[in-house]
Amino acid sequence: NAGVMQNPRHLVRRRGQEARLRCSPMKGHSHVYWYRQLPEEGLKFMVYLQKENIIDESGMPKERFSAEFPKEGPSILRIQQVVRGDSAAYFCASSPPSGTETQYFGPGTRLLVL
Amino acid sequence: GQSLEQPSEVTAVEGAIVQINCTYQTSGFYGLSWYQQHDGGAPTFLSYNGLDGLEETGRFSSFLSRSDSYGYLLLQELQMKDSASYFCAVYRQAGTALIFGKGTTLSVSS
Repeated sequence: NAGVMQNPRHLVRRRGQEARLRCSPMKGHSHVYWYRQLPEEGLKFMVYLQKENIIDESGMPKERFSAEFPKEGPSILRIQQVVRGDSAAYFCASSPPSGTETQYFGPGTRLLVL
Repeated sequence: GQSLEQPSEVTAVEGAIVQINCTYQTSGFYGLSWYQQHDGGAPTFLSYNGLDGLEETGRFSSFLSRSDSYGYLLLQELQMKDSASYFCAVYRQAGTALIFGKGTTLSVSS
């Protein structure tokens, strides 16, 4: 039973480029959460999605960041015109439709902006 | 605002018992979770407390006191592989996003 999958695992971008991070939830899970982690910090919530709907995007910067979870395919976090401050680890978590208390995390994408 | 406080570092020796405390101030509270993270890898779920009291899972136990806005993670019979970061995290409502503390780095020595 495959866990949460994220790709790429590492991503290097130059300032001004776009970054696309993908997350495939665990089988049967329809809730996806994106978190960002800076070095030596805890995880900070960015956005919560269900299939084709953004439920809560209160943690996501208003500009340059967007997220989607289409009916088919993975969830995507898109960062446009990246800046050095966007360098971080981005984790995706998923949970079943019942809204269980447990979120299962993927291995993360480490974004480095040069 | 939302805040979770936990010690930044804890050290212990193999075979010992260690307790990592977490106090929280959040607008709304549904439950408290604990996660383990090795070397910046995927956070791994350890335990969840929705009600007051102790939850035991093998060598790990977790406790919650809603009236004190306080919980702890208890690790027994420590092993070297337990060296990792441990995060407490609050659900403000069922099925919503987690609010994480900054984490406690546990170092286990022989």
